[in-house]
Amino acid sequence: DAKTTQPTSMDCAEGRAANLPCNHSTISGNEYVYWYRQIHSQGPQYIIHGLKNNETNEMASLIITEDRKSSTLILPHATLRDTAVYYCIVRLSTSYDKVIFGPGTSLSVIP
Amino acid sequence: DTGVSQDPRHKITKRGQNVTFRCDPISEHNRLYWYRQTLGQGPEFLTYFQNEAQLEKSRLLSDRFSAERPKGSFSTLEIQRTEQGDSAMYLCASSVTVTSGANVLTFGAGSRLTVL
Repeated sequence: DAKTTQPTSMDCAEGRAANLPCNHSTISGNEYVYWYRQIHSQGPQYIIHGLKNNETNEMASLIITEDRKSSTLILPHATLRDTAVYYCIVRLSTSYDKVIFGPGTSLSVIP
Repeated sequence: DTGVSQDPRHKITKRGQNVTFRCDPISEHNRLYWYRQTLGQGPEFLTYFQNEAQLEKSRLLSDRFSAERPKGSFSTLEIQRTEQGDSAMYLCASSVTVTSGANVLTFGAGSRLTVL
C-alpha cells in the first residue's frame, strides 16, 4: 500500500468547511483512497473512499486530484462533534488484509 | 445488527496476570482484525482472521499474546503474564470479503487495558 502524508493537526471554526489534505504521491492506478476518523475513546469510523472521481456521501466529500497524488477530505459544515483524528489510507481495492494506520490529522473544531 | 461488540470495555489488572478480551463481529462479516492503540498513536495491526483461519500475525504479537476465532464467529485475544507495556486500547474490527470495490472495516469501541 502506498504511503500517505498528512498534517499533524488542524483547527477549523464551527460551521465552516474543514478541508483535510493528504499526499499519496506513490499511489498506483488500482489503489483506492480511504478516510477514517476516530473520535476520542471510540474505535475508528469509516467515512468515505474513492479511486479517481470525486465522491460525496452524507458525511463528507472526497476530492482527488487528476494525477491522484493527493486528495482532500471536506467536511462542509464542521461541528464540535467532528473533532477527531482523521486517517487517510491508500490500499488496493482487492486488498483484504491489514489496514495500516498512520498518525493521522488531529482536527479541532473551535466554537 | 448492533455492530462490532467488544467486552470488557475496561480492564484493570496487576502485572503478571492473564487477561482475555472478546470480540463479536458483525454476523455476516468473515474477516476479523485485532489492533492495539496507545495514547497519541494510530492503531497498530496485531492479527487478522478469515473465518476461523488466522492469516497474519504482526511481529508486535509476542508469544504472550494469542488470538482465536474457533467457529469463525466471535474472537478472543488473550494476553498472558501481562506487563505494564501492554496497557493500551485493544480494538477489534470486522469486514466482509467482496469481489470488487471497497473493503471497509467496522470497528468496535475497544477494550482498554490498564496494567498496574
